[in-house]
Amino acid sequence: GNSVTQMEGPVTLSEEAFLTINCTYTATGYPSLFWYVQYPGEGLQLLLKATKADDKGSNKGFEATYRKETTSFHLEKGSVQVSDSAVYFCALESSYKLIFGSGTRLLVRP
Amino acid sequence: DAGVIQSPRHEVTEMGQEVTLRCKPISGHNSLFWYRQTMMRGLELLIYFNNNVPIDDSGMPEDRFSAKMPNASFSTLKIQPSEPRDSAVYFCASSGTVDPGANVLTFGAGSRLTVL
Repeated sequence: GNSVTQMEGPVTLSEEAFLTINCTYTATGYPSLFWYVQYPGEGLQLLLKATKADDKGSNKGFEATYRKETTSFHLEKGSVQVSDSAVYFCALESSYKLIFGSGTRLLVRP
Repeated sequence: DAGVIQSPRHEVTEMGQEVTLRCKPISGHNSLFWYRQTMMRGLELLIYFNNNVPIDDSGMPEDRFSAKMPNASFSTLKIQPSEPRDSAVYFCASSGTVDPGANVLTFGAGSRLTVL
């Protein structure tokens, strides 16, 4: 069945460091891919999405490119801030629903 | 729009008690999802409604769980009787479309349930 695998956290970085959170997927066809972010005590919020191969989703300095050759959708940011500390979820669309990865906690230190 | 509204935000109850969680989706959204989040199992889809009709309840753990959507602006998730292993954060999410690639879910803030 369709599934998403994320790198385990926590990921701890200093402010202004480069961020990569790995995400790979298993799916039939080419589903839409998403990154959601969850801040403490809140629900998940859409961060970015890509609907077809080679698409790049971007928002708030974060980027992810849909790579069908490597079945990946890695999240990157060039310079993280303390306010980026949160849990990040990769997800794929399977029929009408989203299948989420296990989440990666990011902690950014001043 | 106030977003997806869930209540209560926190619920502490004793084993065997009935628990009812409530959700008000975004006005105009015709799809509603209930997810459960735990450390061990991550985010699990419990049930999905489209136009108030349950489409897929295969994620509902067992008969103790039930969900209803009597109208487009309200849904409930009930656990009866509750057990300690039901302790989790329950999220409601809604979407305005199920078109592939456009299925962006808006989540509520969640209901944290603790069953003692």
